[in-house]
Amino acid sequence: GESVGLHLPTLSVQEGDNSIINCAYSNSASDYFIWYKQESGKGPQFIIDIRSNMDKRQGQRVTVLLNKTVKHLSLQIAATQPGDSAVYFCAENRGGGSNYKLTFGKGTLLTVNP
Amino acid sequence: GAGVSQTPSNKVTEKGKYVELRCDPISGHTALYWYRQSLGQGPEFLIYFQGTGAADDSGLPNDRFFAVRPEGSVSTLKIQRTERGDSAVYLCASSVRPRGGTGELFFGEGSRLTVL
Repeated sequence: GESVGLHLPTLSVQEGDNSIINCAYSNSASDYFIWYKQESGKGPQFIIDIRSNMDKRQGQRVTVLLNKTVKHLSLQIAATQPGDSAVYFCAENRGGGSNYKLTFGKGTLLTVNP
Repeated sequence: GAGVSQTPSNKVTEKGKYVELRCDPISGHTALYWYRQSLGQGPEFLIYFQGTGAADDSGLPNDRFFAVRPEGSVSTLKIQRTERGDSAVYLCASSVRPRGGTGELFFGEGSRLTVL
């Protein structure tokens, strides 16, 4: 999950297992949330998004869950593969007049062991 | 390619020098963003363009940083009198329209700036 420390939170899983990456967001006014995947030396890549009027959204092998009561977001990856190894960031958009601006969390490093 | 293109991919400079970083967005994307990513951190917003104008430059750290997008396509981030603390990866992203629309930002691979 997210951390305020200097070290990147890490998650290590076996190939084929399911992964759950957690994120706590700060602003109760945020109305849009996105998960990004960033491989070493590359820019963030969009995975899945969810609006605040939903609590669950599914994509291909990925599911995002949103709990607005505790301001918590999670990304579930089914049957994790070595190619899923990367840093995963949650990002929130605080809506209103700044609906173009994303605030990113610190990221979680996912390592998939073959 | 059809993605966001950033040049240079790596730039090493000396403290006090001037640097320009270029971003070529996806064709037809009217919204363009610059973010900065320090080691071990998530990207931080710097500036947003809608068309040619900077709609929000509130994330620029100080007046040494400036960005332009004169024709509504390519953008250049300019850093004057670079400092060691400016060392980071500078990411550019574009979208069809502001987040309020599609919501999907396409990021480039970034320009890694190292100030010695």
